[in-house]
Amino acid sequence: GQQVMQIPQYQHVQEGEDFTTYCNSSTTLSNIQWYKQRPGGHPVFLIQLVKSGEVKKQKRLTFQFGEAKKNSSLHITATQTTDVGTYFCAGRGGYQKVTFGTGTKLQVIP
Amino acid sequence: DAGITQSPRHKVTETGTPVTLRCHQTENHRYMYWYRQDPGHGLRLIHYSYGVKDTDKGEVSDGYSVSRSKTEDFLLTLESATSSQTSVYFCATQGQDNSYEQYFGPGTRLTVT
Repeated sequence: GQQVMQIPQYQHVQEGEDFTTYCNSSTTLSNIQWYKQRPGGHPVFLIQLVKSGEVKKQKRLTFQFGEAKKNSSLHITATQTTDVGTYFCAGRGGYQKVTFGTGTKLQVIP
Repeated sequence: DAGITQSPRHKVTETGTPVTLRCHQTENHRYMYWYRQDPGHGLRLIHYSYGVKDTDKGEVSDGYSVSRSKTEDFLLTLESATSSQTSVYFCATQGQDNSYEQYFGPGTRLTVT
């Protein structure tokens, strides 16, 4: 079946440093989504990428979908303490079935 | 946030007992999902529904069953709970066929002793 891996599993950064998490799928995806989960909370949708090579930005967050539609990345510029949480990618291959990545837990040190 | 509630929010039960978790939504969303979240595994799909009485299995469906008799309610049942089913369970909904954004409920923390 479809597998979606994320690296790194954990990341500690100093506030103001950049952060990147990578998502890799074993199969080609029709689209990919990113979610953020704050400690003790539930996942919250951030963005969806559909097109090969697509790049989208949300303030300090930059999302990219690979040319082969099998990988994606999320980059945060100049992290803030409000960025703390776990970031998940979620790849959709077949009809309505989505596979979540293992997540990257971000800790920001003030 | 979408109007999604889960009940109970916390439950401790003994091995071998049946357990039912409820997800209720007020958004009239067509699609509903049950996930479990465990450290190191992210979110894994248990079952999902694409309409009333229409359900399908996810990647970790063994030991779980679901029912959806009304649009707003999606029930997850553990017929005979095992310690390996100790987890946090999230319900999610999705509104439109071409919008894949999922809205998550607050989660249910289940402990099987």
